[in-house]
Amino acid sequence: SQKIEQNSEALNIQEGKTATLTCNYTNYSPAYLQWYRQDPGRGPVFLLLIRENEKEKRKERLKVTFDTTLKQSLFHITASQPADSATYLCALDEDTGRRALTFGSGTRLQVQP
Amino acid sequence: EAGVAQSPRYKIIEKRQSVAFWCNPISGHATLYWYQQILGQGPKLLIQFQNNGVVDDSQLPKDRFSAERLKGVDSTLKIQPAKLEDSAVYLCASSLIRTSGGGEQFFGPGTRLTVL
Repeated sequence: SQKIEQNSEALNIQEGKTATLTCNYTNYSPAYLQWYRQDPGRGPVFLLLIRENEKEKRKERLKVTFDTTLKQSLFHITASQPADSATYLCALDEDTGRRALTFGSGTRLQVQP
Repeated sequence: EAGVAQSPRYKIIEKRQSVAFWCNPISGHATLYWYQQILGQGPKLLIQFQNNGVVDDSQLPKDRFSAERLKGVDSTLKIQPAKLEDSAVYLCASSLIRTSGGGEQFFGPGTRLTVL
């Protein structure tokens, strides 16, 4: 069956370090992969999109990689700040023309000052 | 630019009662989605509209859930009758283009439903 795995355990890191979050998937062939940020009591907010033919995408302190062979995406936040503390969701789009995004369960990031 | 609006923000009902949620997407967004997010999980798509037509409702429990999109703008999601397992946050999202094509989605704040 199809599955998206994100580390369910919270990731705790020190301010200034690089946070790396993982998204693994099985039995999907995503054309696109998106990362969203969700704060408590709020809806997800779009961060980055990467296409299947792209290896890496950057936006300010954010970097996403996409390895379709390993079926994995890594999401990096460099020079992390306490304000980066949130839950980060990866979402796959198989571009079948019908289905919308399929989300992972998210990883909670806590950046300690 | 105004974001996606949802109401109410919170709702508490007894099981077997009915409830309705309202969503106003970003102006000009053709595609509208309703997601269910259970605590500790990611959002799960319930239904997707393109303008006022249904694109995908394969995960909508049609025996109790219904949704409509009036004139291709606002949308309502109804649950009748509610069950305990319907307790969740109901998120509405919109996008300029269908997600097939990689469009980002804009989410509303959600409605937190508690069924007692």
